[in-house]
Amino acid sequence: QQQVKQSPQSLIVQKGGISIINCAYENTAFDYFPWYQQFPGKGPALLIAIRPDVSEKKEGRFTISFNKSAKQFSLHIMDSQPGDSATYFCAASFPDGADGLTFGKGTHLIIQP
Amino acid sequence: GAGVSQSPSNKVTEKGKDVELRCDPISGHTALYWYRQRLGQGLEFLIYFQGNSAPDKSGLPSDRFSAERTGESVSTLTIQRTQQEDSAVYLCASSFHRGGYGYTFGSGTRLTVV
Repeated sequence: QQQVKQSPQSLIVQKGGISIINCAYENTAFDYFPWYQQFPGKGPALLIAIRPDVSEKKEGRFTISFNKSAKQFSLHIMDSQPGDSATYFCAASFPDGADGLTFGKGTHLIIQP
Repeated sequence: GAGVSQSPSNKVTEKGKDVELRCDPISGHTALYWYRQRLGQGLEFLIYFQGNSAPDKSGLPSDRFSAERTGESVSTLTIQRTQQEDSAVYLCASSFHRGGYGYTFGSGTRLTVV
């Protein structure tokens, strides 16, 4: 079963705090793990991505932590801002991409000012 | 254009009617994907086109769904005899590469079946 499980479903964080969203996958053949950010009425936009040979990747305030043995990966948003309020999706894909991306169900993040 | 363009942005149709959704990918992107996003849910893979190869239709939910792509350009997703459960946002994405890398999504078509 191709599956990516994402938690929490919703998250409220105070401005300046750290937002943490977690995902777990089952199929070890996945080789690419992106995170997408989606604002209402818009398509998802790629935020940051990682491959399983790397344990951490940081881009600005966004960091992916990857635990290959546990088959888990997480997104950390440092110094969270109200403009970060959006829905975040984790995803995974196989090398050939024929089945597209397998997405988690999303996390609705609200950053309170 | 600079991004993936989808039309129409919104479509309301009566149950039983056919609808056609259009996607204009970024020029030069050989891979094109269609996804369905139900309210409050993640994205569900529907179909994948890579260059001139036969499409991977493994994700299409029923035989009422079909899709075409002309070369490496426009794609259309057709839903015949629409049902209320077809109501969703239909998203198109394109990329240079096979695999999940470097997707650019369009803003989607919001389909409402009444």
